[in-house]
Amino acid sequence: ELKVEQNPLFLSMQEGKNYTIYCNYSTTSDRLYWYRQDPGKSLESLFVLLSNGAVKQEGRLMASLDTKARLSTLHITAAVHDLSATYFCAVDIRHTGNQFYFGTGTSLTVIP
Amino acid sequence: DAGVTQSPTHLIKTRGQHVTLRCSPISGHKSVSWYQQVLGQGPQFIFQYYEKEERGRGNFPDRFSARQFPNYSSELNVNALLLGDSALYLCASSLGDSRTEAFFGQGTRLTVV
Repeated sequence: ELKVEQNPLFLSMQEGKNYTIYCNYSTTSDRLYWYRQDPGKSLESLFVLLSNGAVKQEGRLMASLDTKARLSTLHITAAVHDLSATYFCAVDIRHTGNQFYFGTGTSLTVIP
Repeated sequence: DAGVTQSPTHLIKTRGQHVTLRCSPISGHKSVSWYQQVLGQGPQFIFQYYEKEERGRGNFPDRFSARQFPNYSSELNVNALLLGDSALYLCASSLGDSRTEAFFGQGTRLTVV
């Protein structure tokens, strides 16, 4: 059974600080996606990582993928309050582009 | 351009009843998938349809069924509702290619009482 685990589950950090969210998965895949979800809202796509060593950056967020370690990271630089949300990683093991197995989610709160 | 649209946004049903949820994908997208998100958890994959054919099914009972129409819109049906079916049901549309992202609708909040 595929397992996708994130840690930490809850993260409270001060504005201006850096932190990393980790996503481990239990089977071979080179398709890893990151999504953001605000309370009561739907999922917003952040990054699509398609190969070993892929790195993508958007603003204060940077995502990377190590398929050999079955690990993806989401790094937050100089956090701001607007980044408060729940972040999910998702694995697509069948490469169909829409059969995602989501992680447990990391609830991030940025404190002013 | 319109994004993924789902209807209804909220729904209250009684145990044992049947429910139909609807999804219209982004124009040009041929793949629609359905996910169930229970409060406090990550979404769980239910079905994927591509070009009107079922492409994948998650670990859900036969009470759950879906279909995709010629215009690529989709319906999710759930029979014999249980209290545990209460969740946010999300629809996602994509081109059907894993190299591109999938876009999610705003969801249907189903409450079973």
